Amino acid sequence: AQSVTQLDSHVSVSEGTPVLLRCNYSSSYSPSLFWYVQHPNKGLQLLLKYTSAATLVKGINGFEAEFKKSETSFHLTKPSAHMSDAAEYFCVVSLNTGGFKTIFGAGTRLFVKA
Amino acid sequence: DVKVTQSSRYLVKRTGEKVFLECVQDMDHENMFWYRQDPGLGLRLIYFSYDVKMKEKGDIPEGYSVSREKKERFSLILESASTNQTSMYLCASSLPERTSGELFFGEGSRLTVL
Repeated sequence: AQSVTQLDSHVSVSEGTPVLLRCNYSSSYSPSLFWYVQHPNKGLQLLLKYTSAATLVKGINGFEAEFKKSETSFHLTKPSAHMSDAAEYFCVVSLNTGGFKTIFGAGTRLFVKA
Repeated sequence: DVKVTQSSRYLVKRTGEKVFLECVQDMDHENMFWYRQDPGLGLRLIYFSYDVKMKEKGDIPEGYSVSREKKERFSLILESASTNQTSMYLCASSLPERTSGELFFGEGSRLTVL
């Protein structure tokens, strides 16, 4: 069975400080892992994906995530937050079956203070 | 770039009306999905389709139907809209099985049923 847990429902940071959004997953198989971002009243946009290649994955807008199999984690980080990063972020696990077996985390709302 | 277009971004309908939500993708993807997004409940799969005229129920199909007459178009139908169907509806597409499962989302359709 698959599951994904985003450990924080809300994260607040100051502009220019690091961002850490935490995600743990559970899967019986080797999954693909994704982070998506959603700005208000918009669809979800892919930030980055892990598909069993390099464990450190770089995405758009300076975000990156590290796949740690031993810890079953896929945390999202960014060295320096920007006001435009304020959005909701979703950690997603998929069983490489064309999207049919996709589990979404509950989301983490990121607030960025000036 | 893959583009998934949801033609209606905001709709207001009355209880009992029939509602059509249209979704078109331009990358020849086999798989298409309809999700519903509600605060505190995350994304929930309503229906998906893996080929023209083929459809499968997702987690919450009650009160909805779908149509896929052409590969690029996937429609969600509310036969008789109710107030509890007020929500954000997201369409997505993906490549076939044995791929990563990455989903490409439209901008969303926010439906209000009065």
